[in-house]
Formats: sequence, C-alpha cells, structure tokens
Amino acid sequence: EVQLLESGGGLVQPGGSLRLSCAASGITFSNYGMNWVRQAPGKGLEWVGSISGSGSTTNYADSVKGRFTISRDNSKNTLYLVMSGLRAEDTAVYYCAKETDQYTTRPGNWFDPWGQGTLVTVSS
Amino acid sequence: DIQMTQSPSSLSASVGDRVTITCRASQSINNYLNWYQQRPGKAPKLLIDAATTLQSGVPSRFSGSGSGTEFTLTISGLQPEDFATYYCQQSYTVPRTFGQGTKLQIK
Repeated sequence: EVQLLESGGGLVQPGGSLRLSCAASGITFSNYGMNWVRQAPGKGLEWVGSISGSGSTTNYADSVKGRFTISRDNSKNTLYLVMSGLRAEDTAVYYCAKETDQYTTRPGNWFDPWGQGTLVTVSS
Repeated sequence: DIQMTQSPSSLSASVGDRVTITCRASQSINNYLNWYQQRPGKAPKLLIDAATTLQSGVPSRFSGSGSGTEFTLTISGLQPEDFATYYCQQSYTVPRTFGQGTKLQIK
C-alpha cells in the first residue's frame, strides 16, 4: 500500500521560511513524479508545483514561482517543499500527491494517492 | 492557463437521488479530465480519470462523461458517504488546474 506522510507545517511569520517533507512508502519512489497541492482554509485545491521522478524537471504555479522550491531525495524516499518569502495568502493545508508515472507533464496523468496534509499558517 | 469551471458550486440532495455535476474547460482538453472526492477534514481521493474511467474500488453509482470542453460527474442513488466536495482537474497541460469544487450537501 502506498503511503505518503507530510510533516514540517506550523506557524511562521510573514517573510519567513519553512521546509515541508513528504515521506513515501510502498513504492519505488524514483519511478514517480510528485506534486504539491494546497488548500487555503475553506477554499478549493490549488496545484503548487511538481517534480519528475529523477528530479530533473520541476514546474511551479505562478503564485509561488521564485519563492518555493521543490526537490526530492530518492535515496530517502522523501519529497521536499522549501517555502520562502511567505505571505498570509500562503496559509493552507499542503498535500503531497503521487503522479501516475515518472513524468509530471504527460497528458492524461492523475494524482493518486494524496498524503493527509500539513497545515502552514503565516501570521504575525 | 486552462480555467476549469464547475457548476453548481453547491447542491442539496437526498439519499437515493441522482445528481449531476458539470465541469467546463476554457479550451479543449480532449478527455484529460479527472474527478476527485474530498470528505471534510480528509485528503482528496481520485474517483475517475480520463473523464470516464472509474478507479478500482469506487462504487459503480459514480460515472463520468464528456470530452473536449464539457464534462459531467453523475452519482446515481446517493449514499450518506457521498456527501462531500467534488473537484474536477485537467491533466492536458501544466499547470494542472482544478475546478473550484462542488459541495454536495444533504437536503
């Protein structure tokens, strides 16, 4: 059974930084692209960005480009999201989600499964 | 970016009812359309991919249809566990955009 477990959320001041982790089990991690998706309180889902299975390709939403960085350590089966220059509007539950295969731009892929999420609150 | 628009934003229905949720894309996405269910306090769960393909373990009362720019999710014979929020997502291109969600509530 594939399991994804996020960690690292918490309260951070505006302008601050935070690193989220997503530990994967039950899969050959390097065979799959990974995504971060966030959900502001009471709002819908927003794709944040993705990374290919090898880590060579990353893509970001315009809302986080230049502030967030996605990386992975395939030897540790772990996905990361480093967030800097945090703003109040970045407050959300952050989910990691597994891609269908190693590619994250292939048409027809989907996200399954998702982790349980970790809450990031940006506030002074 | 491709915009995804769901309608209605909320819907009240009773157990046993048949409901339909619509998702429209701002440009053609062929059949690259996924549906997710999110129960309160839980992570989203994939229901349908490629507009019509039901995931293993998903009850057959769920069905999807459509192609191009217009898609539907139909639930026939609502069960208590189906009251949740449903999201469509296009997988035609990056960024992978979601609809705003449809909250299905008990009448």
